Amino acid sequence: KQEVTQIPAALSVPEGENLVLNCSFTDSAIYNLQWFRQDPGKGLTSLLLIQSSQREQTSGRLNASLDKSSGRSTLYIAASQPGDSATYLCAPDTGTASKLTFGTGTRLQVTL
Amino acid sequence: DAGVIQSPRHEVTEMGQEVTLRCKPISGHNSLFWYRQTMMRGLELLIYFNNNVPIDDSGMPEDRFSAKMPNASFSTLKIQPSEPRDSAVYFCASSFGQGQETQYFGPGTRLLVL
Repeated sequence: KQEVTQIPAALSVPEGENLVLNCSFTDSAIYNLQWFRQDPGKGLTSLLLIQSSQREQTSGRLNASLDKSSGRSTLYIAASQPGDSATYLCAPDTGTASKLTFGTGTRLQVTL
Repeated sequence: DAGVIQSPRHEVTEMGQEVTLRCKPISGHNSLFWYRQTMMRGLELLIYFNNNVPIDDSGMPEDRFSAKMPNASFSTLKIQPSEPRDSAVYFCASSFGQGQETQYFGPGTRLLVL
């Protein structure tokens, strides 16, 4: 059974800092891995999807990397802004009926 | 595009009552997912449909839960009878293809069973 761990559970940084969120998973036989953000009381918004054959994926100030063999992914956020405050979730897809397994998330707060 | 639409957004009911949650996926998507989110267990996949056919329902908690997808633009998740431990936020998501593409989530239905 896939298990996903995200570290840290919570993070508070001042505006402008670069930061890294970590995700580890136990079953490396994945098809892809997705990073989502969730704002309080809202649904999930997909940020990046990395295919298993890729090493990284970039979108604006976000960069996600994937080391499938070691079961790790990181989400790098450059020049953080207060609007980045949210919970960030990673979800590897084992491909078994397209089953995403979600981590418990990292709650990020970016302060002025 | 309106995105994934869920209704109702909030539901408060009493134990033993039937609850029906509704979802309209993004037009053209042929994979649909129902998830449940709680503080204790996080986000869990309940059931996955592809081309209106249930592919994996191993996450459905018990027989009190059932899901249908009568056509490509509508799905329901029913709980009968409801119990207080069913209180959670229920999300519907959809994607293209076999489901191994980006999943787009609806706003969720917040269910409280008293």
